[in-house]
Amino acid sequence: ETGVTQTPRHLVMGMTNKKSLKCEQHLGHNAMYWYKQSAKKPLELMFVYNFKEQTENNSVPSRFSPECPNSSHLFLHLHTLQPEDSALYLCASSQGAQAEGNIQYFGAGTRLSVL
Amino acid sequence: DAKTTQPNSMESNEEEPVHLPCNHSTISGTDYIHWYRQLPSQGPEYVIHGLTSNVNNRMASLAIAEDRKSSTLILHRATLRDAAVYYCILRDYRDDKIIFGKGTRLHILP
Repeated sequence: ETGVTQTPRHLVMGMTNKKSLKCEQHLGHNAMYWYKQSAKKPLELMFVYNFKEQTENNSVPSRFSPECPNSSHLFLHLHTLQPEDSALYLCASSQGAQAEGNIQYFGAGTRLSVL
Repeated sequence: DAKTTQPNSMESNEEEPVHLPCNHSTISGTDYIHWYRQLPSQGPEYVIHGLTSNVNNRMASLAIAEDRKSSTLILHRATLRDAAVYYCILRDYRDDKIIFGKGTRLHILP
């Protein structure tokens, strides 16, 4: 148990569906992250939030829409996805750059399949 | 972003020490050296980090070259549970984000 919980663990959706991924951290951290991990590729950083403000958008297509209502919760809203978006989506949290080490704690991920 | 170079894969026998190398010749003075690992079907987990001096914790040791252009993660006594992908990452202390590379896939032989 890392203190970062992601739901659902598995998700299958059609290309016309709208769904959301949820991430919650119980660590009192200030920064939260979304990563995408496709088969046989390194983890790709998608978004970074610090104190609820988005500080990084790594050229992610607009069909992925993040939302950070508070420092403990992070959502990734999905709409009109493509089959190539099928991947493991990982959430992480950390104290933020000002913290020594700024260690990131990861959730177990949501395995997404787009049909 | 400063980059790291790691072997794609390594093998080691159970209960023996493992030395995982990492080259980072373009490291800057503001970069910390971080190691994470990812076990099968899990998210990455933090292992250890350092700046200039060698570091030890309950999971591993980190040996950093004097010129900081390379480092080695040392698992003192590998178990089957240590089979994972190990990532060596440089993180600028001023930055929130970390960038993952391909890492080293470590196989442990019983």
